[in-house]
Amino acid sequence: EAGVAQSPRYKIIEKRQSVAFWCNPISGHATLYWYQQILGQGPKLLIQFQNNGVVDDSQLPKDRFSAERLKGVDSTLKIQPAKLEDSAVYLCASSYGQGRGNQPQHFGDGTRLSIL
Amino acid sequence: AQSVSQHNHHVILSEAASLELGCNYSYGGTVNLFWYVQYPGQHLQLLLKYFSGDPLVKGIKGFEAEFIKSKFSFNLRKPSVQWSDTAEYFCAVNAYSGAGSYQLTFGKGTKLSVIP
Repeated sequence: EAGVAQSPRYKIIEKRQSVAFWCNPISGHATLYWYQQILGQGPKLLIQFQNNGVVDDSQLPKDRFSAERLKGVDSTLKIQPAKLEDSAVYLCASSYGQGRGNQPQHFGDGTRLSIL
Repeated sequence: AQSVSQHNHHVILSEAASLELGCNYSYGGTVNLFWYVQYPGQHLQLLLKYFSGDPLVKGIKGFEAEFIKSKFSFNLRKPSVQWSDTAEYFCAVNAYSGAGSYQLTFGKGTKLSVIP
């Protein structure tokens, strides 16, 4: 099966600019996740969708980050305006559902964002 | 909120040596436990998982992990490592975070370098 697709792979912007990332999950996966992975740390959940509804966005910095999954399939994550501390790899993952927390998540290759 | 601690930041082993990577978590309720691996230049992949039942679980490529509930631990083991096991290993805990959602929390990762 095709994996989770993300684009772009790399992005370099200056601080205060805006940037957007795109993700297409595995076909049939209802749950989609965005993670931020700062160098030397594990991925941290930013937002979780179930179909086109937000399930958990408690760790999303809502003053600058936004995400949507309008048709319940692909998703975009936006940062506006970007800060230096946003330099990280942004990972998208998907799973068949949540189940009882036992559904493994499948990850994309990520977008490496560098802020100058 | 749950947290995950991985004991070693970087482990260097010679081929055929035995491997044990430590993972401890903090969460008072039922957890689902995962080990993910990231090979150089590749995306995060599931290595193995534990939900219930036999606390000794086997994964791909000869890896296994043991869940010890009393110690809040889920250590990863392999009897004999190969050069191809060079990768970064992440322990993760999926636990109920309220409002009908589960949140996957990762450790900081352990980088394994295997010397031929």
